[in-house]
Amino acid sequence: SQKIEQNSEALNIQEGKTATLTCNYTNYSPAYLQWYRQDPGRGPVFLLLIRENEKEKRKERLKVTFDTTLKQSLFHITASQPADSATYLCALPYTNRDDKIIFGKGTRLHILP
Amino acid sequence: DVKVTQSSRYLVKRTGEKVFLECVQDMDHENMFWYRQDPGLGLRLIYFSYDVKMKEKGDIPEGYSVSREKKERFSLILESASTNQTSMYLCASSRLSSPTNYGYTFGSGTRLTVV
Repeated sequence: SQKIEQNSEALNIQEGKTATLTCNYTNYSPAYLQWYRQDPGRGPVFLLLIRENEKEKRKERLKVTFDTTLKQSLFHITASQPADSATYLCALPYTNRDDKIIFGKGTRLHILP
Repeated sequence: DVKVTQSSRYLVKRTGEKVFLECVQDMDHENMFWYRQDPGLGLRLIYFSYDVKMKEKGDIPEGYSVSREKKERFSLILESASTNQTSMYLCASSRLSSPTNYGYTFGSGTRLTVV
């Protein structure tokens, strides 16, 4: 089955800088990849999806890239703010076209004022 | 605003009790899911359902069962609660063919403590 690796160490970024989070996966290339945000004690919230034929996707201050050769997605938050502090989860389908998705363990991001 | 509602935010139960966790969605979604989330282990899928009365096991179904009698409601049942089932339980829903477009919508979670 698919395995997802996200940096388990917390990431500390100064306010105003760009935060970059990494998601690596093994095995097959997925048809899509999703990113979620999770605040403490709450359920994850869907942020962005990128498909296998897309190299990059943007939404406001968020940018996601998808490199199927490297089996990696990068998640960028530009002009970061303390309110961006949260855990960010990467998610992929269990199989190439499955509606069921598997989540990475997430990376905790701290934006320092 | 679309919603997934979990009946309890916090629950404390005794070992051996039968526990029901309820989840209701108002988006007419076909898919519904139950996950548990533990520190260091991330989100793990317990059970999911693609339709009424239909269920499939996820990665960790042991000790759990589910019920989906109506499209909007998906219940997770702990047949005989044990301390290792102390966890955060998260319900989610999505459209049948487009989790790709809109992702999953999650509830706020139920933090269950089994003593």
